[in-house]
Amino acid sequence: EVQLVQSGAEVKKPGQSLKISCKGSGNSIGTYWIGWMRQMPGKGLEWMGIIYPGDSDTRYSPSFQGQVTISADKSISTAYLQWSSLKASDTAMYYCAGTAGSAWVSWGQGTLVTVSS
Amino acid sequence: EIVMTQSPATLSVSPGERATLSCRASQSVSSNLAWYQQKPGQAPRLLIYGASTRATGIPARFSGSGSGTEFTLTISSLQSEDFAVYYCQEYHNWPPITFGQGTRLEVK
Repeated sequence: EVQLVQSGAEVKKPGQSLKISCKGSGNSIGTYWIGWMRQMPGKGLEWMGIIYPGDSDTRYSPSFQGQVTISADKSISTAYLQWSSLKASDTAMYYCAGTAGSAWVSWGQGTLVTVSS
Repeated sequence: EIVMTQSPATLSVSPGERATLSCRASQSVSSNLAWYQQKPGQAPRLLIYGASTRATGIPARFSGSGSGTEFTLTISSLQSEDFAVYYCQEYHNWPPITFGQGTRLEVK
């Protein structure tokens, strides 16, 4: 089972760019799908998208298509979630999680992103 | 897109009693259903997958049942550490992947 460690909390201004990371250890993330979930303050979990680092096959939720970019570097067992221009409404906790094709068996600890002027 | 609906939104139960949480899918997801527990300030944790299989290290007091569109998570005798938010999630024909809105289990 892969263990996932996410990058630290970020405070950004509207319009700035950001890339957060999710690094796998233990079993290589190259054999897992890595997904990203958003959790806005006091709210539930929303699936944003998923990537297979083995071949970079990437799928997005229609709600997040065009709003974020998901990528991965298999050589360093790391997946990324990226914004080109942050909005205040992007303020949330972001989780990565790993699946072999069914349930999310491993979760990162979360990265809090705060966007405020 | 499959819509997952959990009920109730909040469930108040006394420690030692049984808790029953429900999850309904807008169309059949077969047994492709998972349950997660989330405590304040923590990441979600997988409890159940395949509708009824406990994940590694999950106590036997947690059980899942159902198939198709109706699913249940039962906690047989609530411990203090079980009070949390619970989410169901389908993975039938992803993407997309959808979660229920969550059930908050609180102390009565």
